[in-house]
Amino acid sequence: DQQVKQNSPSLSVQEGRISILNCDYTNSMFDYFLWYKKYPAEGPTFLISISSIKDKNEDGRFTVFLNKSAKHLSLHIVPSQPGDSAVYFCAASGPNMDSNYQLIWGAGTKLIIKP
Amino acid sequence: NAGVMQNPRHLVRRRGQEARLRCSPMKGHSHVYWYRQLPEEGLKFMVYLQKENIIDESGMPKERFSAEFPKEGPSILRIQQVVRGDSAAYFCASSPIRDREAFFGQGTRLTVV
Repeated sequence: DQQVKQNSPSLSVQEGRISILNCDYTNSMFDYFLWYKKYPAEGPTFLISISSIKDKNEDGRFTVFLNKSAKHLSLHIVPSQPGDSAVYFCAASGPNMDSNYQLIWGAGTKLIIKP
Repeated sequence: NAGVMQNPRHLVRRRGQEARLRCSPMKGHSHVYWYRQLPEEGLKFMVYLQKENIIDESGMPKERFSAEFPKEGPSILRIQQVVRGDSAAYFCASSPIRDREAFFGQGTRLTVV
C-alpha cells in the first residue's frame, strides 16, 4: 500500500526551463511534507518542506505547492540548472495508525536537466 | 559540526555472515532513523531510535535484524546471517526534533555474495 506516490520515474527538462515534480498521497492524516534530493552514491539532502497549514512555501529557485483537497503536492524548480540533475524524493509525515512515527517516502523521480 | 557519519561506506559479506553498520548522528541530534534502499526502489523506513530506546521498529524485518543506539557511541544496525536479498544501500539519518527534517549520512552499501 503506497501512501506516497511519485508516478513519474523520470523527467527530462531543458536548462533554464521550469521543472515540475509531482507527488500524491493517500493518507489525509499527513500534516508535513518534505522534498529531498539525492545524488548517486550519496545520502538524500533535505531541500524544502511544507506544513499542511500552508499551501505554498518558497526558497530561492524552489517552490513547493500543496493541494490538500487533491492530496497532491508539487516541487517547482525555476530556472532549472544542470546541477539540479538528481533523484528527488517526496516524503510525508504525520500520525500513523500502525506506528508512532514514520516518514513515508515516494519512490523518487529522476530529474535530468539537458544543456 | 560534522554531518551524519556512516561507516563503512561499502561492506561485502558472504551469505551467513553478520553485517554491522555504524552511524554517528550529528552533534546535538538525539533522534536516529535507519532506512534501506533496494535497487530501483525508494527509501524504506526501518527503525527509529532515541538514546537507549527503540521508538519504532515497524519497518524492520522481525528476524535477523536488530538496531541499537547506546548512551555512548554510534547507533548500530546489525544483520545476522545475511542473505543475498539484504544487498542494498542502508542510510542513517538524524534530527534534533522528532518527525521533521532529517540529515542523512552517505550510506553503507552492503553487498552479499
